[in-house]
Formats: sequence, structure tokens, C-alpha cells
Amino acid sequence: GAVVSQHPSWVICKSGTSVKIECRSLDFQATTMFWYRQFPKQSLMLMATSNEGSKATYEQGVEKDKFLINHASLTLSTLTVTSAHPEDSSFYICSARGAGTTTDTQYFGPGTRLTVL
Amino acid sequence: QKEVEQNSGPLSVPEGAIASLNCTYSDRGSQSFFWYRQYSGKSPELIMSIYSNGDKEDGRFTAQLNKASQYVSLLIRDSQPSDSATYLCAVNRRRRALTFGSGTRLQVQP
Repeated sequence: GAVVSQHPSWVICKSGTSVKIECRSLDFQATTMFWYRQFPKQSLMLMATSNEGSKATYEQGVEKDKFLINHASLTLSTLTVTSAHPEDSSFYICSARGAGTTTDTQYFGPGTRLTVL
Repeated sequence: QKEVEQNSGPLSVPEGAIASLNCTYSDRGSQSFFWYRQYSGKSPELIMSIYSNGDKEDGRFTAQLNKASQYVSLLIRDSQPSDSATYLCAVNRRRRALTFGSGTRLQVQP
């Protein structure tokens, strides 16, 4: 149980384009989803927290207009990197928590590796 | 001071030995504590959660929590080369996002 999927697993795009990453909870309803970013040899950095049906809460220093987050249903959240640039190249990982999972436990998706040329 | 501190390692142990991983945290209001394992290029995988003082065992893994000392540890018995990975300690206050340490890289030598 508590499986989270992400799509795509990797993406290469040109500078200036937008990329959408999907995060799905497959066997539980995720009332809260989290988006993290991880650069090589660094720890996970929380970007934003999204609750179903409400606006995402962004961490300090994360541009909300650049990283658009939508959590329209209890099983799907999307992260759109708008006008991507090479410095946005990173490993993006979502996690989900909600009804049907152990309290406070976050289950992670497999991650999406973004490369911006 | 970082909210969650871990020794970056690498911690090198021989196969079959006990690996001991440590973590300290600064927020005394923290209520939930987790250990995740992350292989290179992969996302974190939950190993154990612990919520109250004392030991919690699951197979070869034992998590230990001491809230007075703000200290969490993970013991891995009979370490295997497949245990070689980065181990992330994470803590949170109730219903908030997890705060991660920078991780300890474990190397189990065959």
C-alpha cells in the first residue's frame, strides 16, 4: 500500500519551455502533497506544500510564478516549471500524505529528473 | 544550527557488522521521527518511523529515540552490501512537512 507514482521519470527540454510533472497517489487519497527538489550530493529541499482544493504554500525563496502547483483532486498534484532554464535542472520528487496512510508518514514518488539545455 | 544534523560520512562497516547512524534535531516540539534510505539517483524509501522514546525494532533495523537529548539513531544489524546507501533522518511537528537532514552515506564492505 501507499504507492506514489510520478510522470515522467525524466525529461529533457530546451531553455524557455515549460514542463509539467504529475504526481499520483495510487492506492490512497492524498490530502496533502509535497514537492521537493534535490541537487546532486545535496539533501532534499522542500519547495511547496499543497492541500487538495486550496492554493499551495511555497517555501521561502521558491518562486510561485515559476513553479506552478495544482492539487485538483485527492490523487493528483502537478508541478509545472515555467520558462525553464539550465539552473532548474534537478531531481524533483513528490511525496504524499493523507487518509489511509500512517499519520504524518510521507510516501515518496520515484522522482523526475529534469535537464534543461 | 541546522534543524536536523547528521554526519555526512561515509560510514564504512564490514559485511555482517552493525552500522550505527545518528541524528540530532533542534526543534523540541518535534513529534514524529523517520529514517529513509536513498540509493543514488533514486527517491527516498521509508525504513522506519518512531514516535515515542525508546527502541523500535523491525527486522534488522532498530530505531532509537531520546527526546530529552533530541537524538535519534538507526542501527542496522548484519549489514549487507545492499544496505550501502544514504540514510536520511527526518523529523516533523504534527501534520507539517518533514524536515530532512543532509544524510549519512553508508558503505558496507564485502
